[in-house]
Amino acid sequence: NAGVTQTPKFQVLKTGQSMTLQCAQDMNHNSMYWYRQDPGMGLRLIYYSASEGTTDKGEVPNGYNVSRLNKREFSLRLESAAPSQTSVYFCASSESRVNNEQFFGPGTRLTVL
Amino acid sequence: AQSVTQLGSHVSVSEGALVLLRCNYSSSVPPYLFWYVQYPNQGLQLLLKYTTGATLVKGINGFEAEFNKSQTSFHLRKPSVHISDTAEYFCAVSEMDDYKLSFGAGTTVTVRA
Repeated sequence: NAGVTQTPKFQVLKTGQSMTLQCAQDMNHNSMYWYRQDPGMGLRLIYYSASEGTTDKGEVPNGYNVSRLNKREFSLRLESAAPSQTSVYFCASSESRVNNEQFFGPGTRLTVL
Repeated sequence: AQSVTQLGSHVSVSEGALVLLRCNYSSSVPPYLFWYVQYPNQGLQLLLKYTTGATLVKGINGFEAEFNKSQTSFHLRKPSVHISDTAEYFCAVSEMDDYKLSFGAGTTVTVRA
């Protein structure tokens, strides 16, 4: 099992450019999540998907959109990148809401110039 | 939303010494509690979790944590750290009927030879 995979690992964008971060999991989990990690702030939830076909906003959704393509895949899109979106982005998945152990991908380091 | 406070953003300890990382949460109802570890340039992985039952929880790599309901705390400790324990540690909580996690800001542990 690969667990949770993310592409790309690194990306540099110019202000105003768009891009999509890809995430896939092979653990047959229902729930998937996108976080951003900034120094001194821990992880903050951007969007989540409780199950295939549903998405909801998290703590910091502005400037992002998501798509739950199928049960395996959950993508994060930046339509018009801003320097404030420079961060490390993590995708995670979990089996159920009861014990909510989340499994994390390796992250995407994004720099917006 | 839950508030999670980790005291101390950085801890430096000698190899073989005890390390204690503090975590306090805001909920009046005992939530699910987690400690995650992030090694340099990697994603997060679960160290241990508390759901119900015994308040002392043992995790991987010799770590343990104690849930204290009256002090709303979930402190993590390891009696004798190794160089390989150098990493960032995150405390996280979720409500029992909610699958979203709230993370603390993280504590970076540096183990000196």
